[in-house]
Amino acid sequence: AQSVAQPEDQVNVAEGNPLTVKCTYSVSGNPYLFWYVQYPNRGLQFLLKYITGDNLVKGSYGFEAEFNKSQTSFHLKKPSALVSDSALYFCAVRPTGRRALTFGSGTRLQVQP
Amino acid sequence: NAGVTQTPKFRVLKTGQSMTLLCAQDMNHEYMYWYRQDPGMGLRLIHYSVGEGTTAKGEVPDGYNVSRLKKQNFLLGLESAAPSQTSVYFCASSGGRQGAYEQYFGPGTRLTVT
Repeated sequence: AQSVAQPEDQVNVAEGNPLTVKCTYSVSGNPYLFWYVQYPNRGLQFLLKYITGDNLVKGSYGFEAEFNKSQTSFHLKKPSALVSDSALYFCAVRPTGRRALTFGSGTRLQVQP
Repeated sequence: NAGVTQTPKFRVLKTGQSMTLLCAQDMNHEYMYWYRQDPGMGLRLIHYSVGEGTTAKGEVPDGYNVSRLKKQNFLLGLESAAPSQTSVYFCASSGGRQGAYEQYFGPGTRLTVT
């Protein structure tokens, strides 16, 4: 069965510092991988995805993620955090041939001024 | 272009009551989904649809039913609400081949069952 792990419930980082939100997955085949962000009392917003090709994927709001097949990871990164990046971040995986996403449990990012 | 909309935004039910949540999308997407979000558990798929007139079970389908009579609408029904169904419900839609593109989410419905 496919699964997604976000090992950190919360990540704290100072404004201006680089941030990393971790995600590892366990699926058969070649997965599609996604990152979403959720602001308070809002639905999820798409940030970026990996389908195939370049392992470094760039997305919205300056975020990027690196697909690492050998480590089955898809960590979300940003070179310089903003206070406005504080939100709940979800990693999701869609195995090829499947029709739905499996979400991780979420990581709360807190950026301190 | 409203994207994905959900009605109602909030609802309080008593145990045993029924209700229907409505999701509508205006992006001509084939795929639509219903999720529930509970603290510390991420989003869990309840049911989904790969096109008008089709539905399929997700990870946690028990106690819920769905219908997709029109391509743009996806309804989630609770026939006899239970306190365990207290949650935030999100609808989503996606396009592309086999719905492979990113999903677009509605704003959510907060349901409390007492």
